[in-house]
Amino acid sequence: GENVEQHPSTLSVQEGDSAVIKCTYSDSASNYFPWYKQELGKRPQLIIDIRSNVGEKKDQRIAVTLNKTAKHFSLHITETQPEDSAVYFCAAPWGGSTLGRLYFGRGTQLTVWP
Amino acid sequence: DGGITQSPKYLFRKEGQNVTLSCEQNLNHDAMYWYRQDPGQGLRLIYYSQIVNDFQKGDIAEGYSVSREKKESFPLTVTSAQKNPTAFYLCASTPEGTGGAREEQYFGPGTRLTVT
Repeated sequence: GENVEQHPSTLSVQEGDSAVIKCTYSDSASNYFPWYKQELGKRPQLIIDIRSNVGEKKDQRIAVTLNKTAKHFSLHITETQPEDSAVYFCAAPWGGSTLGRLYFGRGTQLTVWP
Repeated sequence: DGGITQSPKYLFRKEGQNVTLSCEQNLNHDAMYWYRQDPGQGLRLIYYSQIVNDFQKGDIAEGYSVSREKKESFPLTVTSAQKNPTAFYLCASTPEGTGGAREEQYFGPGTRLTVT
């Protein structure tokens, strides 16, 4: 199956700074790359996703970039705020399979200090 | 918080007892999933089902069982064979069944199981 690695495992930034989380994947046929945010004690929720036919996607303060050649994708959060503090997960499917499942990274605990 | 529900929110059991966690969705989604979440481990897939009466093992299926008799329901049983069952369990669903995971997964609120 797919191997998704996520770095760093923890990230602390000052309010207003930018945060970047990176993920690598192993299957060159993977074609869908979502990012989920999980606040403490809550369910994960999709915040942004990108498909393999584009290299970048933005939604206000968050953006995702995809490098298919290098098989990595990154989450960028600008002008961070304390409410951005959460665990962030990246994921990717096994592209060569018709079976529907996602492989998740281990998560990044982001802390934004006021 | 409609859409996909899990009950109960907290569950306590004695070691050696089987316990069933409920997951129901009214989103008309074909595919449903069970994940286990431990600190620092991310989301690990236990079982998933892409269609009624069919399901596949995930990465950590040992000690767990599931059924998918109805489209809207995907209960998970944690058996006494599961060596370390204390964890946070998340259920999810997605519209897409066969054809690959290319859609958002909607998660339930989770059940925190404690076995002593």
